[in-house]
Amino acid sequence: NAGVTQTPKFQVLKTGQSMTLQCAQDMNHNSMYWYRQDPGMGLRLIYYSASEGTTDKGEVPNGYNVSRLNKREFSLRLESAAPSQTSVYFCASSEGRSGVSRNTEAFFGQGTRLTVV
Amino acid sequence: QQQVKQSPQSLIVQKGGISIINCAYENTAFDYFPWYQQFPGKGPALLIAIRPDVSEKKEGRFTISFNKSAKQFSLHIMDSQPGDSATYFCAARQRYSTLTFGKGTMLLVSP
Repeated sequence: NAGVTQTPKFQVLKTGQSMTLQCAQDMNHNSMYWYRQDPGMGLRLIYYSASEGTTDKGEVPNGYNVSRLNKREFSLRLESAAPSQTSVYFCASSEGRSGVSRNTEAFFGQGTRLTVV
Repeated sequence: QQQVKQSPQSLIVQKGGISIINCAYENTAFDYFPWYQQFPGKGPALLIAIRPDVSEKKEGRFTISFNKSAKQFSLHIMDSQPGDSATYFCAARQRYSTLTFGKGTMLLVSP
C-alpha cells in the first residue's frame, strides 16, 4: 500500500519552462490537494479537488493549473515557471472534506523539490 | 490573513524535557484541530488531533490542550527525545472546508 505517490522527487527548470507534477493515491480517497511549502510560510494550499470532476482554487493558485484525471490522480501544471515558484510541493489526499465522514486525516506524499532558475 | 498563528518558530529542548508549541485561531467555526509532524525530506504526517468538545487529548507522550474560550490550543511533548526533532504544524478546519495550517515550529531535542 503506497499511499500518496508524487513524481518527480526533484526538478530544476529554467524560467519560462513548463512542467507537470504528478500525484496518485491508492486509498480510494475522494479529496486531493496540492500544497507548497516555503521556509517560514508553512503549508499553503494551491488547489484542491473535493471529488472526482471538481477542482477549486486555494490560497495561492496564481501560475498553476490542475487536473483531476480520475479518482486516483491529481496533477499540478506550471505553464511558465518563475523563480517565485521555487518551492517544495506536496500532494495530499483525504477521505473527504464534506464533513459527512469524521475521518478528515490528510495523507501527504514525499514532496517534489522544484527549483526554477 | 493568517487564520492560525503558531509559536514559537523554533524551539530547542533538552532530552527528557517538555516541548510546548502553541497555536491561536480566530474563526470560531473551526471544528477540527490536528497536529502534523514532518521529518526532513518527508511529507507531514498526522500526529494527534482534537475536536472542540474536549479540552485535552493524550496519546502516549503527546498531549493536545484545547481552550475554546481563549481560541487557543497547544501541543505538549513529554519526556522529549532526539527522535522527536522535527517540524510541527498545527492546523484547523472548518466543516465543509479545507485545512488551514500554521507556519510551523522547528523542534530540536538536544541529547
